[in-house]
Amino acid sequence: NAGVTQTPKFQVLKTGQSMTLQCAQDMNHEYMSWYRQDPGMGLRLIHYSVGAGITDQGEVPNGYNVSRSTTEDFPLRLLSAAPSQTSVYFCASSRTGVGYTFGSGTRLTVV
Amino acid sequence: AQSVTQLDSQVPVFEEAPVELRCNYSSSVSVYLFWYVQYPNQGLQLLLKYLSGSTLVKGINGFEAEFNKSQTSFHLRKPSVHISDTAEYFCAVSSSGGSYIPTFGRGTSLIVHP
Repeated sequence: NAGVTQTPKFQVLKTGQSMTLQCAQDMNHEYMSWYRQDPGMGLRLIHYSVGAGITDQGEVPNGYNVSRSTTEDFPLRLLSAAPSQTSVYFCASSRTGVGYTFGSGTRLTVV
Repeated sequence: AQSVTQLDSQVPVFEEAPVELRCNYSSSVSVYLFWYVQYPNQGLQLLLKYLSGSTLVKGINGFEAEFNKSQTSFHLRKPSVHISDTAEYFCAVSSSGGSYIPTFGRGTSLIVHP
């Protein structure tokens, strides 16, 4: 099993560019989430989904969009990148919502 | 709403010494509690979880945690640490009903010295 796969692992964007961070899981998990990790801030929830076709906002959703058209995929879109979005992004999934499996992260730098 | 406070941002300790990483939570409903570990440049791994039942929970790598409802705490302990335990540790809480989405603390950096 691949678990939770995030691509790319590293990305540099210019301010104003858009991009999509990919997340795929092969465990048939219903729950999927996106977090950002910043030094001293822990993990903050951006968006989450409790099943295909269902998404909701987390603590820091501004500047990000998500969709969940299949159980396996949960892409995160940055609409117009800003330096404040420089961070490490983690995707996570769970079968029951209790205990998550994390991807290895995407390190994003916005210049 | 729920929140998590990890009381120490950094805990230095010598190899083979015991360690305790402290975590307090607040929630208006019943909770599930978790500890995750993050090694450098990796994602988070689940160490252990409390869902119900015995308040003493054993996890991987010799770690254990005790749920104390009256003190709203879930401290992580290990009787003898190794150099390889050097990592960032995150406490997390989720409500036992609803969306189950966990809220994470800010993390505690455990630094094990030889």
